[in-house]
Amino acid sequence: DADVTQTPRNRITKTGKRIMLECSQTKGHDRMYWYRQDPGLGLRLIYYSFDVKDINKGEISDGYSVSRQAQAKFSLSLESAIPNQTALYFCASAGSSYNEQFFGPGTRLTVL
Amino acid sequence: QKEVEQNSGPLSVPEGAIASLNCTYSDRGSQSFFWYRQYSGKSPELIMFIYSNGDKEDGRFTAQLNKASQYVSLLIRDSQPSDSATYLCAVGVEGNEKLTFGTGTRLTIIP
Repeated sequence: DADVTQTPRNRITKTGKRIMLECSQTKGHDRMYWYRQDPGLGLRLIYYSFDVKDINKGEISDGYSVSRQAQAKFSLSLESAIPNQTALYFCASAGSSYNEQFFGPGTRLTVL
Repeated sequence: QKEVEQNSGPLSVPEGAIASLNCTYSDRGSQSFFWYRQYSGKSPELIMFIYSNGDKEDGRFTAQLNKASQYVSLLIRDSQPSDSATYLCAVGVEGNEKLTFGTGTRLTIIP
């Protein structure tokens, strides 16, 4: 079984809709991250969390929010989706101080 | 200036040859360095990490780090068609709280 899982794997939605992407990990890691990947722009950090009471903005947090419901669960919300949020979204977790991150399978989100 | 730079490629290498992938970074305080492999449409997979100057070998893969030159490289020996993928370089920043990723180098192994 995968150590980091994401749901849904694919989602098509319309402009203005609220969307939640979910991430769970069974690695016992404290650190969790949300990234988006766009062609030519690489992976960009949206939010990260070191425990349930610690939430930090990444480089592109505008238009997104997160919730760390438990050590193992970290969800990403788009309150009002817009077309330029169409991208591949990855969740990752890390357990060591050197920050070796392990990625989930990704969610392909399309906003029409 | 980008914090982590990679040649986007594509880099074409004959099967059985050595593939050499390069990455430079701008933050002199960086302490951790990672190479991820990403197949098209899939998630990044960690294949190597290095923290100290010098070489680190794992099977057919060797990571090389030169902090003075702010340079990290990945060598793949005896390249196989299954090595064809995009390779992402990532560098730990801000006390390793975050990773900054390069945009990746696309590698193609020619049979």
